[in-house]
Amino acid sequence: EAEVAQSPRYKITEKSQAVAFWCDPISGHATLYWYRQILGQGPELLVQFQDESVVDDSQLPKDRFSAERLKGVDSTLKIQPAELGDSAMYLCASSLDATNEKLFFGSGTQLSVL
Amino acid sequence: QQQVKQSPQSLIVQKGGIPIINCAYENTAFDYFPWYQQFPGKGPALLIAIRPDVSEKKEGRFTISFNKSAKQFSLHIMDSQPGDSATYFCAASKTRGGSQGNLIFGKGTKLSVKP
Repeated sequence: EAEVAQSPRYKITEKSQAVAFWCDPISGHATLYWYRQILGQGPELLVQFQDESVVDDSQLPKDRFSAERLKGVDSTLKIQPAELGDSAMYLCASSLDATNEKLFFGSGTQLSVL
Repeated sequence: QQQVKQSPQSLIVQKGGIPIINCAYENTAFDYFPWYQQFPGKGPALLIAIRPDVSEKKEGRFTISFNKSAKQFSLHIMDSQPGDSATYFCAASKTRGGSQGNLIFGKGTKLSVKP
């Protein structure tokens, strides 16, 4: 069964450093999402892409976070500089298109900021 | 403002029991209500979902009950098994008028099924 691929699986960094996460959605899925899941909480949407265009980034802290999906396939989420409060699981999800509610999640990148 | 409130935070049942997890929502524009299951170290996986035009949906051992007037919905797991031990999240979204797929998640319920 096709899966959403994410890397790295774990990332430990010091505050003020830059980190980047990568996501490869299921082939053919036009819509891609980045969610952040703090320990003990449900995931919260950071950014949504339709192909290479940002559809919703209203919850993305744009002073330090950036996301891109240049060719409308894989995507990168960057944090610069990282802060202690950024420690969380960063989940990528994809769906066939924006009208399809079924989201497939990757296994996430667990970020620890020291 | 928490738009989707989930309870209980944790739940322990014996094998064969019927755990029930409840969620309440505030935004009457929500029209899609999924439940996700998450195992440690994995991303959430869609379990079952319902739209407000029906009051109940069953898929295998999983049932969603939906009460539109009360703005509440719940997940029932029949004949629960130790393999069902996981964290369950309810969610809601507005699928008409844009922002489709912007799921608002509850805080999760950690279910433990004892052998």
